Amino acid sequence: SQQGEEDPQALSIQEGENATMNCSYKTSINNLQWYRQNSGRGLVHLILIRSNEREKHSGRLRVTLDTSKKSSSLLITASRAADTASYFCATDYFIIQGAQKLVFGQGTRLTINP
Amino acid sequence: DTGVSQDPRHKITKRGQNVTFRCDPISEHNRLYWYRQTLGQGPEFLTYFQNEAQLEKSRLLSDRFSAERPKGSFSTLEIQRTEQGDSAMYLCASSQVWTGASGNTIYFGEGSWLTVV
Repeated sequence: SQQGEEDPQALSIQEGENATMNCSYKTSINNLQWYRQNSGRGLVHLILIRSNEREKHSGRLRVTLDTSKKSSSLLITASRAADTASYFCATDYFIIQGAQKLVFGQGTRLTINP
Repeated sequence: DTGVSQDPRHKITKRGQNVTFRCDPISEHNRLYWYRQTLGQGPEFLTYFQNEAQLEKSRLLSDRFSAERPKGSFSTLEIQRTEQGDSAMYLCASSQVWTGASGNTIYFGEGSWLTVV
């Protein structure tokens, strides 16, 4: 299976703390994308990290990628109640004519306690 | 707001009925994808369109499922003779033309919830 796996499955922290979520995958990838999903809503794109990149930042988000270990991590600094959501990593494979197929894990359910 | 629109947002139907979902991608995107997500799971790929051509289909897409993108703009996903196992959220996504070896961001809509009773 190409499915990625997120760890932990659930994480509960206090507001202001940092949250770290990990993702592992099984086969070589082109890119890896992180998404956020609020309960009952669609997926919001957070960051795309390319296979030749090791680290990427966007605001309070920091994503790392280690292709030798087939793993990625998402760090959210100074968490806020609004960060409460499920976070998914999606490994990115080319399927045909350059189109991409995303393979998602089960996600990490993050709860920020005020 | 990602710009991908889906309709309806919620649909409750009786087992055996047909349902149709519509997706309007971001206007300049020629790639369109359908995914399905059940509770507690990540989305699973169903099918992919480039313009009006359906170029990839998952084995998850049984004969009761059909997707079209007649003019390369909006897309429809129809489920015939619905079963309780079809209850899920159906997500549409779109992206721009692949411009290099690095791929592009894929943007998702809010999804269409289907409940089969």
